[in-house]
Amino acid sequence: GESVGLHLPTLSVQEGDNSIINCAYSNSASDYFIWYKQESGKGPQFIIDIRSNMDKRQGQRVTVLLNKTVKHLSLQIAATQPGDSAVYFCAENTGGFKTIFGAGTRLFVKA
Amino acid sequence: DTEVTQTPKHLVMGMTNKKSLKCEQHMGHRAMYWYKQKAKKPPELMFVYSYEKLSINESVPSRFSPECPNSSLLNLHLHALQPEDSALYLCASSQEARDTGYGYTFGSGTRLTVV
Repeated sequence: GESVGLHLPTLSVQEGDNSIINCAYSNSASDYFIWYKQESGKGPQFIIDIRSNMDKRQGQRVTVLLNKTVKHLSLQIAATQPGDSAVYFCAENTGGFKTIFGAGTRLFVKA
Repeated sequence: DTEVTQTPKHLVMGMTNKKSLKCEQHMGHRAMYWYKQKAKKPPELMFVYSYEKLSINESVPSRFSPECPNSSLLNLHLHALQPEDSALYLCASSQEARDTGYGYTFGSGTRLTVV
Protein backbone atom coordinates (compact mmCIF):
# COMPACT_ATOMS: atom_id res chain seq x y z
CA GLY A 1 0.00 0.00 0.00
CA GLU A 2 1.01 3.60 -0.26
CA SER A 3 2.81 5.07 2.70
CA VAL A 4 4.69 8.01 4.05
CA GLY A 5 8.34 7.44 4.83
CA LEU A 6 11.43 9.23 6.01
CA HIS A 7 14.93 9.32 4.53
CA LEU A 8 16.84 9.62 7.85
CA PRO A 9 15.91 7.65 10.95
CA THR A 10 18.19 9.70 13.25
CA LEU A 11 19.60 13.20 13.10
CA SER A 12 22.15 14.72 15.46
CA VAL A 13 22.72 18.50 15.45
CA GLN A 14 24.61 21.00 17.53
CA GLU A 15 22.59 23.38 19.67
CA GLY A 16 22.02 26.60 17.77
CA ASP A 17 22.35 25.00 14.35
CA ASN A 18 19.46 24.57 11.95
CA SER A 19 17.85 21.12 11.55
CA ILE A 20 16.27 19.68 8.45
CA ILE A 21 14.09 16.59 8.66
CA ASN A 22 12.96 15.03 5.41
CA CYS A 23 9.99 12.94 4.43
CA ALA A 24 8.94 11.22 1.21
CA TYR A 25 5.35 10.40 0.47
CA SER A 26 4.00 8.17 -2.25
CA ASN A 27 0.28 8.93 -2.41
CA SER A 28 -0.18 11.60 -5.06
CA ALA A 29 -3.76 12.10 -3.86
CA SER A 30 -2.59 13.40 -0.48
CA ASP A 31 -3.40 17.07 -0.15
CA TYR A 32 -2.80 17.86 3.50
CA PHE A 33 0.42 17.25 5.40
CA ILE A 34 1.25 17.63 9.06
CA TRP A 35 4.40 17.46 11.17
CA TYR A 36 4.17 16.10 14.70
CA LYS A 37 6.72 16.06 17.52
CA GLN A 38 6.67 13.23 20.04
CA GLU A 39 8.66 13.45 23.24
CA SER A 40 9.33 10.44 25.41
CA GLY A 41 6.25 9.37 27.35
CA LYS A 42 3.95 11.76 25.52
CA GLY A 43 1.57 11.68 22.61
CA PRO A 44 2.40 13.37 19.30
CA GLN A 45 2.11 17.15 19.34
CA PHE A 46 1.07 19.19 16.30
CA ILE A 47 3.87 21.42 14.98
CA ILE A 48 2.83 22.75 11.62
CA ASP A 49 0.79 21.77 8.59
CA ILE A 50 0.63 22.57 4.91
CA ARG A 51 -1.88 22.06 2.14
CA SER A 52 -1.00 20.92 -1.33
CA ASN A 53 -1.81 24.30 -2.86
CA MET A 54 1.19 25.74 -0.99
CA ASP A 55 4.90 25.00 -1.22
CA LYS A 56 6.08 26.70 1.95
CA ARG A 57 4.66 27.63 5.31
CA GLN A 58 6.40 29.22 8.26
CA GLY A 59 5.73 29.08 11.94
CA GLN A 60 7.70 30.08 14.97
CA ARG A 61 11.24 28.75 14.30
CA VAL A 62 9.81 26.08 11.99
CA THR A 63 9.27 25.99 8.26
CA VAL A 64 7.64 23.25 6.21
CA LEU A 65 8.47 22.86 2.53
CA LEU A 66 6.42 20.81 0.12
CA ASN A 67 7.66 19.66 -3.27
CA LYS A 68 4.79 17.91 -5.01
CA THR A 69 6.85 17.17 -8.11
CA VAL A 70 9.08 14.75 -6.22
CA LYS A 71 6.59 14.06 -3.41
CA HIS A 72 8.91 15.40 -0.75
CA LEU A 73 8.21 17.17 2.52
CA SER A 74 10.71 18.74 4.88
CA LEU A 75 10.69 20.36 8.29
CA GLN A 76 13.27 23.00 9.05
CA ILE A 77 13.92 24.01 12.64
CA ALA A 78 15.90 27.19 13.13
CA ALA A 79 18.36 27.61 16.01
CA THR A 80 17.74 24.12 17.33
CA GLN A 81 17.44 23.90 21.11
CA PRO A 82 17.79 20.97 23.53
CA GLY A 83 14.01 21.05 23.98
CA ASP A 84 13.65 20.16 20.31
CA SER A 85 15.05 16.69 20.97
CA ALA A 86 12.24 14.28 20.11
CA VAL A 87 10.92 12.00 17.40
CA TYR A 88 9.39 13.86 14.48
CA PHE A 89 6.69 12.33 12.31
CA CYS A 90 5.34 13.56 9.03
CA ALA A 91 1.76 12.60 8.32
CA GLU A 92 -0.48 12.80 5.28
CA ASN A 93 -4.18 13.01 4.76
CA THR A 94 -5.88 12.09 1.51
CA GLY A 95 -9.28 13.37 2.50
CA GLY A 96 -11.69 12.28 5.17
CA PHE A 97 -10.65 10.88 8.50
CA LYS A 98 -7.58 8.88 7.66
CA THR A 99 -4.19 10.33 8.55
CA ILE A 100 -1.17 8.12 7.88
CA PHE A 101 2.06 8.63 9.79
CA GLY A 102 5.55 8.21 8.41
CA ALA A 103 8.27 6.16 10.09
CA GLY A 104 9.68 8.99 12.21
CA THR A 105 13.08 10.67 12.69
CA ARG A 106 14.76 10.97 16.05
CA LEU A 107 16.41 14.35 16.54
CA PHE A 108 19.28 14.62 19.03
CA VAL A 109 20.45 18.09 20.00
CA LYS A 110 23.99 18.26 21.37
CA ALA A 111 24.72 21.00 23.87
CA ASP B 1 -9.40 23.12 28.18
CA THR B 2 -7.16 22.13 25.27
CA GLU B 3 -6.27 18.63 26.37
CA VAL B 4 -7.14 15.05 25.65
CA THR B 5 -7.08 13.04 28.88
CA GLN B 6 -6.45 9.32 28.85
CA THR B 7 -6.82 6.91 31.75
CA PRO B 8 -5.20 4.84 33.01
CA LYS B 9 -1.64 5.87 32.11
CA HIS B 10 -0.38 2.33 32.61
CA LEU B 11 -2.25 -0.99 32.51
CA VAL B 12 -1.09 -4.55 32.98
CA MET B 13 -3.64 -7.21 32.16
CA GLY B 14 -3.77 -10.95 31.73
CA MET B 15 -4.94 -12.59 28.54
CA THR B 16 -8.26 -13.55 30.12
CA ASN B 17 -8.99 -10.15 31.62
CA LYS B 18 -11.48 -7.53 30.48
CA LYS B 19 -10.42 -3.92 30.82
CA SER B 20 -11.30 -0.55 29.33
CA LEU B 21 -9.28 2.45 28.25
CA LYS B 22 -10.89 5.85 28.59
CA CYS B 23 -10.42 9.10 26.70
CA GLU B 24 -12.01 12.46 27.36
CA GLN B 25 -11.88 15.86 25.65
CA HIS B 26 -13.79 19.07 26.26
CA MET B 27 -12.72 21.05 23.22
CA GLY B 28 -15.96 20.49 21.35
CA HIS B 29 -14.18 18.26 18.86
CA ARG B 30 -16.55 16.03 16.91
CA ALA B 31 -14.03 13.50 15.60
CA MET B 32 -12.18 11.12 17.93
CA TYR B 33 -9.58 8.48 17.16
CA TRP B 34 -7.80 5.47 18.60
CA TYR B 35 -4.24 4.80 17.49
CA LYS B 36 -1.88 2.00 18.47
CA GLN B 37 1.85 2.67 18.70
CA LYS B 38 4.51 0.01 19.11
CA ALA B 39 7.96 0.97 20.35
CA LYS B 40 9.99 2.99 17.83
CA LYS B 41 7.13 2.85 15.32
CA PRO B 42 4.64 5.45 14.09
CA PRO B 43 1.07 5.53 15.38
CA GLU B 44 -1.28 3.24 13.45
CA LEU B 45 -4.93 4.13 13.08
CA MET B 46 -7.43 1.74 14.66
CA PHE B 47 -10.80 3.49 14.84
CA VAL B 48 -12.39 6.82 13.98
CA TYR B 49 -15.61 8.21 15.40
CA SER B 50 -17.34 11.18 13.83
CA TYR B 51 -20.32 12.73 15.58
CA GLU B 52 -20.38 9.72 17.89
CA LYS B 53 -20.70 7.23 15.03
CA LEU B 54 -18.00 4.77 14.01
CA SER B 55 -16.63 5.92 10.67
CA ILE B 56 -13.51 3.83 10.25
CA ASN B 57 -12.45 0.44 11.59
CA GLU B 58 -9.02 -0.42 10.23
CA SER B 59 -9.67 -4.17 10.29
CA VAL B 60 -8.98 -4.27 14.00
CA PRO B 61 -9.52 -7.66 15.73
CA SER B 62 -12.79 -7.97 17.60
CA ARG B 63 -10.97 -8.30 20.92
CA PHE B 64 -10.78 -4.49 20.67
CA SER B 65 -14.21 -2.89 20.96
CA PRO B 66 -14.60 0.90 20.74
CA GLU B 67 -17.45 2.89 22.21
CA CYS B 68 -18.37 6.57 22.04
CA PRO B 69 -20.96 7.25 24.78
CA ASN B 70 -21.12 10.97 24.00
CA SER B 71 -19.24 13.67 22.12
CA SER B 72 -16.64 14.06 24.89
CA LEU B 73 -15.87 10.45 25.71
CA LEU B 74 -14.27 7.59 23.87
CA ASN B 75 -13.67 4.13 25.32
CA LEU B 76 -11.73 1.13 24.12
CA HIS B 77 -12.87 -2.16 25.63
CA LEU B 78 -10.30 -4.92 25.75
CA HIS B 79 -10.95 -8.64 26.05
CA ALA B 80 -8.84 -11.74 25.54
CA LEU B 81 -5.82 -9.78 24.36
CA GLN B 82 -2.55 -11.32 23.27
CA PRO B 83 0.97 -10.35 24.39
CA GLU B 84 1.59 -8.82 20.96
CA ASP B 85 -1.17 -6.31 21.71
CA SER B 86 1.15 -4.68 24.24
CA ALA B 87 1.67 -1.12 23.02
CA LEU B 88 0.95 2.54 23.68
CA TYR B 89 -2.69 3.29 22.89
CA LEU B 90 -3.24 6.88 21.87
CA CYS B 91 -6.50 8.78 21.72
CA ALA B 92 -6.82 11.89 19.58
CA SER B 93 -9.50 14.36 18.64
CA SER B 94 -10.05 16.99 15.96
CA GLN B 95 -12.70 19.56 15.14
CA GLU B 96 -13.72 17.72 12.03
CA ALA B 97 -12.05 15.09 9.88
CA ARG B 98 -9.75 17.72 8.44
CA ASP B 99 -9.72 21.29 7.22
CA THR B 100 -9.09 22.43 10.74
CA GLY B 101 -5.56 23.67 10.22
CA TYR B 102 -4.65 22.27 13.58
CA GLY B 103 -4.17 18.56 13.00
CA TYR B 104 -5.08 16.26 15.84
CA THR B 105 -4.80 16.80 19.58
CA PHE B 106 -3.37 13.67 21.15
CA GLY B 107 -3.52 12.40 24.69
CA SER B 108 -0.42 11.04 26.41
CA GLY B 109 -1.57 7.49 25.87
CA THR B 110 -2.12 4.34 27.92
CA ARG B 111 0.88 2.04 28.13
CA LEU B 112 -0.65 -1.44 27.93
CA THR B 113 1.18 -4.62 28.84
CA VAL B 114 -0.50 -7.98 28.24
CA VAL B 115 0.93 -10.85 30.27
